[in-house]
Parts: sequence; structure tokens; C-alpha cells
Amino acid sequence: AQSVSQHNHHVILSEAASLELGCNYSYGGTVNLFWYVQYPGQHLQLLLKYFSGDPLVKGIKGFEAEFIKSKFSFNLRKPSVQWSDTAEYFCAVNSYSGAGSYQLTFGKGTKLSVIP
Amino acid sequence: NAGVMQNPRHLVRRRGQEARLRCSPVKGHSHVYWYRQLPEEGLKFMVYLQKENIIDESGMPKERFSAEFPKEGPSILRIQQVVRGDSAAYFCASSPSTISSGANVLTFGAGSRLTVL
Repeated sequence: AQSVSQHNHHVILSEAASLELGCNYSYGGTVNLFWYVQYPGQHLQLLLKYFSGDPLVKGIKGFEAEFIKSKFSFNLRKPSVQWSDTAEYFCAVNSYSGAGSYQLTFGKGTKLSVIP
Repeated sequence: NAGVMQNPRHLVRRRGQEARLRCSPVKGHSHVYWYRQLPEEGLKFMVYLQKENIIDESGMPKERFSAEFPKEGPSILRIQQVVRGDSAAYFCASSPSTISSGANVLTFGAGSRLTVL
């Protein structure tokens, strides 16, 4: 079964600091990769996605992620965080479930707290 | 903004009662997914439905849980005889077509938080 690991449970940064959130997945076949963000009290929103092509993908709000196939990784980065980036971030991998459909498998999430 | 609508947002039940969670997908979306998020855990897939069909229920507990997506009306996740371990956030997502290519993007609702006393 597919598994997704997010290395940090809670990250605390000051504004303007750089951010990198780790994500590793276990599935060795073709995958589609996502980062979702959940702001306090809100629904999950898509931050960015990787399907194919350039392994460096850019998302909304200045976020980017790099797919490194050899490391089974899809780390999220932002050069300079803002207080408004305080949220929980989920890495997700879409892979064939074997039960007739594709399934999104999520990591446990990383809470980011940005201190003004 | 006609996103995925879930209700109730918060539901409190006593042990042994039934919980019904509703999900109206994005207008035009015919595929619905339910996920459960336990405290300190990521979202776990439960079930994938199309109109009047359950496509994949490999993540559903074998007992007490059921889901439907009727021809008319919202998708319903039903939990019978709730226990404290059912306390969680239940998220619904929808997509316009099957993700057989794996490349479709799900739109999520804000979730329904179930508390079992």
C-alpha cells in the first residue's frame, strides 16, 4: 500500500524565513503528487501539483515543490514566509489502488506557525 | 462560490446513536470521495462513489459505516451505533470525472467534525 511521510509535525518560523517541508512516498510506479493547504477553519485547498514534465513546479502564493524521482520525494519550499502562511500543509500522492480506482493518500500533515 | 458543501459542520452524538453526514459536490461533479481525519493523523480514504454506485469502498470499516450518493440529492455518510473512536473530521471531495488517469484534482469541503460523547 502507498504511504506518504511528512517529516515535520510542527514547524515554527519567523516572517521572511525560508521554508522547506519534506515529503516522501513509497509507491514506485507512476504517481501524481500534490500539496494541499488548510488554513485555520477552512477547507483543504490545492497549493500545487505535479503530473509530468518539469520536476520543479510552481504553485500559488509563491510556493514551489521539486519532484525527485530517485529519492521518492516531493518537498515544498517557499523562500520567504509570511504570517498568512500559518496553516497545515498536506502532501498527497495519487496512485492506483488496485480496487478499481485511483486513491489520494495523504501524509499526516505539517503545521506551520509563522511568527510576525 | 459553489464549492463542496458539507453539513453539519459540527455534530455531537452519544455512544450508540446514529450520525449522518451530508455532502453536496461541486455543481457538475459526479464523483464523490469521503475521507476521515483522526486527531494527529492525515486524511484516510474511505469511499469513492459515483451517482447511485459505490466504486471503491476499500477504506470503509466493515461494520456500522455506509455511504450512498443517490441520483438526486447529496451524498450521505452514515455511521450507526457510534463509538468514541468514530470522533474525527470527515471530509468530502468531488471531481468532475473519474481519476482513472490519476491526474484529476479533487475539490474538498470544509469537513464535518463528529464528536462522540
